[in-house]
Amino acid sequence: DAGVIQSPRHEVTEMGQEVTLRCKPISGHDYLFWYRQTMMRGLELLIYFNNNVPIDDSGMPEDRFSAKMPNASFSTLKIQPSEPRDSAVYFCASSWASSPGEAFFGQGTRLTVV
Amino acid sequence: GESVGLHLPTLSVQEGDNSIINCAYSNSASDYFIWYKQESGKGPQFIIDIRSNMDKRQGQRVTVLLNKTVKHLSLQIAATQPGDSAVYFCAENSKDTGRRALTFGSGTRLQVQP
Repeated sequence: DAGVIQSPRHEVTEMGQEVTLRCKPISGHDYLFWYRQTMMRGLELLIYFNNNVPIDDSGMPEDRFSAKMPNASFSTLKIQPSEPRDSAVYFCASSWASSPGEAFFGQGTRLTVV
Repeated sequence: GESVGLHLPTLSVQEGDNSIINCAYSNSASDYFIWYKQESGKGPQFIIDIRSNMDKRQGQRVTVLLNKTVKHLSLQIAATQPGDSAVYFCAENSKDTGRRALTFGSGTRLQVQP
């Protein structure tokens, strides 16, 4: 397996534009997590899914953020409209139900909103 | 885990020495702890985990110690190598909450001097 695949690796966009980040989890994993990493706040959980169902979205900062998981092999995180303070590295991770702590992270998407 | 400030604590060691990275947690209900390693430009990578019914667990060159009395966790790396240079995060989870996502600490940067 190629691991968790995120795209794009880098995204530069103008304030107000819509941004969509994509994630392909490891096949067979039951959980999918979206994290955001910044120097100021470290690694923060945004939302996580179990068997494609959103379980906890309390970390989603605002209504501008939304996430979907239409099937077991794909998830998106959308920001609309984007703002400069959304600039961060966004990570997707997945894990088995039997090992929730052993999450496998993707390479991340570095988002810059100018 | 707590929010991180601008500066990560840094541990600098000589190649071949042993490293000890510490982590304090605040949630008494936490019963599962994990250490992650993050190299520059990459996503966090699972190293080792420990459940609250244990106080020590060993892996390859790594040992995790858990002291529930003082809510302290440490990661020991034996014979530290240049490839160990990275940021190390502790993470926690509590089964009581039913929440399967991890809460990450602020991280410690390990620099290995050749």
